[in-house]
Amino acid sequence: DTQMTQSPSSLSAYVGERVTITCQASQDINNFLKWYQQKPGEAPKLLIYDASKLETGVSSRFSGSGFGTHFTFTISSVQPEDIAIYYCQQYDGLPPITFGQGTRLEIK
Amino acid sequence: QVRMVESGGGVVQPGTSLRLSCATSGFTFDNYGMHWVRQAPGKGLEWLSLIWYDGIDKYYADSVKGRFTISRDNSKNILYLEMNSLRAEDTAVYYCAKSRDDQTGEYWGQGTLVTVSS
Repeated sequence: DTQMTQSPSSLSAYVGERVTITCQASQDINNFLKWYQQKPGEAPKLLIYDASKLETGVSSRFSGSGFGTHFTFTISSVQPEDIAIYYCQQYDGLPPITFGQGTRLEIK
Repeated sequence: QVRMVESGGGVVQPGTSLRLSCATSGFTFDNYGMHWVRQAPGKGLEWLSLIWYDGIDKYYADSVKGRFTISRDNSKNILYLEMNSLRAEDTAVYYCAKSRDDQTGEYWGQGTLVTVSS
């Protein structure tokens, strides 16, 4: 099974700051990676799929990149409404599908 | 619009069974694979199971293989998760999710809480 190692586990940023989260896959997953945002009490929301494609309706301040085993997720200018936990998920080939451990984003 | 509503959660004793349902509308249910994902209190997301659009192929996480069974009724647009031999560590919010495509996107239900406790 493919393990996903996500870092950092938490980060704190000022409004307007650029933040980056990374996800490392234990084996090559091509570009089969998603990024989710989860706010308290809510279901996860898909932001990025296929490593770099922005889901319809999602703000362009969110972006993703990477291929193979190393991936990054960036918020270009953090906003107060971005307070959430962010997860990566790999979906290469047949299941199991696996998530990263999550990154909690707080505002300074 | 797409709607997905889970039900069937509750408080149960260890070793017992429970069946979750996910009622859907707003999309052609029998065109899509469907997932169950759970989240233990204060923990991360755990994928549990996937069922193919036709109900033939099914996949499970090792943590639930042999205890949980995913199924679907394409005539009623409902997804199920039969959970047997429940353990305290199965306590979580259980979400159903529709596989993504470019036409309709990806959707999740609001979740249903299962608490396994004596």
